Parts: sequence; C-alpha cells; structure tokens
Amino acid sequence: GENVEQHPSTLSVQEGDSAVIKCTYSDSASNYFPWYKQELGKGPQLIIDIRSNVGEKKDQRIAVTLNKTAKHFSLHITETQPEDSAVYFCAASILNSGYALNFGKGTSLLVTP
Amino acid sequence: EAGVTQSPTHLIKTRGQQATLRCSPISGHTSVYWYQQALGLGLQFLLWYDEGEERNRGNFPPRFSGRQFPNYSSELNVNALELEDSALYLCASSFRGWGETQYFGPGTRLLVL
Repeated sequence: GENVEQHPSTLSVQEGDSAVIKCTYSDSASNYFPWYKQELGKGPQLIIDIRSNVGEKKDQRIAVTLNKTAKHFSLHITETQPEDSAVYFCAASILNSGYALNFGKGTSLLVTP
Repeated sequence: EAGVTQSPTHLIKTRGQQATLRCSPISGHTSVYWYQQALGLGLQFLLWYDEGEERNRGNFPPRFSGRQFPNYSSELNVNALELEDSALYLCASSFRGWGETQYFGPGTRLLVL
C-alpha cells in the first residue's frame, strides 16, 4: 500500500520567514495530494491540494510543488504569521479508485513573533 | 453553511465497553469517512460510507463498524473497547466518493480507561 513520509516533524520559524514541509510517497499511481492544517482542538482543514497533471499550485502565501518522477511534494508558506502555527499534514491517494487518503505523520509548525 | 458536526465531543469508557460516535455531513454531501488519530500515529483511515453502503475499510478489526443513515449521517461503533482505542476520531464528508475534497469535523476524543 501507499506509504507517505513527512519531514520535518517539527519546524520553528520566525515571523516573516518562509516554511517548507516535504513529503514523499511510494505508490507511483498516486495522483492527488492534499495538504491539511490542524489547529489545537479542531479537525484538519484543507488548505491546498494538487493533482498530478500540474507541477505547482499557488494560493496567496501558500504553494505546493509536485515532482512525480521523484515522488515527492512540498508545501511552501511565505511571509509566515503567528496564526500559521499548527500541525500540517500531507496526504496522497488515487482519485476515483476507492482507495483511502494516506496521511503523513504531520509537521508541527511554530511561528514566533 | 454548517460544516461537519460530530458528537459527543468527548467520551470516556472502560475497557470492554462499547462506544458510539456520530457524524453529520455537510448538507448535500453523500460520502462520510471515518479516521482514527492516535497520538504519534497520524490519521488512519477507518471506514468510508457512500449512499448508505460501506464502500471501503482500513486495516482495523471487525469490532470497528458503522453505518450510514438515509439522511447521510453516520455512526461509528467500537465494540469491546481496548486501551489502545483511545484516540481522536475524525469524520469527514465529501460531495461524492474518492476524488472529491474531504471536509473534516472537529472530532470525538475517546478515552478508554
């Protein structure tokens, strides 16, 4: 089955700096890669996703890049703010296959003022 | 528009008992997914229901079961509770099956003593 590895497990940055979280996946058939943000006491919230027919997607301060050859994808947050502090999860799956979202173990991001 | 709701927010049971967790999807969503988020293990897929039928299940024993009602709400039942069942149980919904964005509820925190 699909195995998703996520690094780093913790990340501390200063406000205004950029943060990068990286994930690798094992199943070359995976073609859907969402990123979720989970704040304390809340459920995960989708922040951005990418499908394998594109290599990069941006939404304001957040961007995701995908390298299908190397089987890795990354989340980039620019101009970080204290409210970006949360746990971020990457996931991978195969669209319309009936297979589950396979999640990485999460990255705890702390943005210090 | 109301998001995914789950009840109860917290549940305390003793080993061997049964737990019932409930989920109401976003209006118009027909698919409900259940995930277990145990400490240090990330999110693990449990069950997927769509149009009242169980469509897929993760690598969990049969004592984890559930159902989906005609109004698309769902129940997760855990029988013969074990200490390691203590976790946050998350419900997500989507408009259709896999391939659609999953939106998560706040979760039910189950503690087994």
